[in-house]
Amino acid sequence: EIVLTQSPGTLSLSPGERATLSCRASESVFSGYLAWYQQKPGQAPRLLMSGTSTRATGIPDRFSGSGSGTDFTLTITRLEPEDFAVYYCQQYGGSVEYTFGQGTQLEIK
Amino acid sequence: EVQLVQSGVEVKKPGESLKISCKGSGYIFSNYWIVWVRQMPGKGLEWMGIISPDDSETRYSPSFQGQVTISVDKSISTAYLQWNSLKASDSAMYYCARRMVGSTIHFDYWGQGTLVTVSS
Repeated sequence: EIVLTQSPGTLSLSPGERATLSCRASESVFSGYLAWYQQKPGQAPRLLMSGTSTRATGIPDRFSGSGSGTDFTLTITRLEPEDFAVYYCQQYGGSVEYTFGQGTQLEIK
Repeated sequence: EVQLVQSGVEVKKPGESLKISCKGSGYIFSNYWIVWVRQMPGKGLEWMGIISPDDSETRYSPSFQGQVTISVDKSISTAYLQWNSLKASDSAMYYCARRMVGSTIHFDYWGQGTLVTVSS
């Protein structure tokens, strides 16, 4: 089973700053099968990015995704107050494998 | 508008059975697999299993195989997650989500979650 490791565990930044979140896989992941989700307290997760770099409907262009193989990155330029949340990467590795990373908490500094 | 609406909060005792639901609307329910995801208090997301509403084909995460049963009634566009004998460790928030398949595979719409508390 592919393991996804997200770093850092917690990222403390100020509004207006740039956030870089990492997701590293234990084996190569097809880029089409790597997604990112945002979860705010008390809410369900929300799809941010599919296929590594395709923003979901309604996601602003300050969010971008990149990467390939075992290293993937979610970047948020110019943080807005509503961006502070937990972010999860997730991969599809076969019929019984939909692994999530452990999450990165993005908090206000 | 695509929506997944889950059943409400459940408070149960250890050993009791439970079946929670996830009703889809705004799309052709049979065309998209439904996944169940667990989130224990203060923890991350764990994939439990996934079901095809079209033919009820079901796949379970090895971590949840034998612990839960996933089913579907496509006539009423509803997927289910059930336990025969709850444990305190089953206390968690449970989400259903729709799996999108194309050139990418991801979960594009999520239910609001069902909170399950198991306590004596």
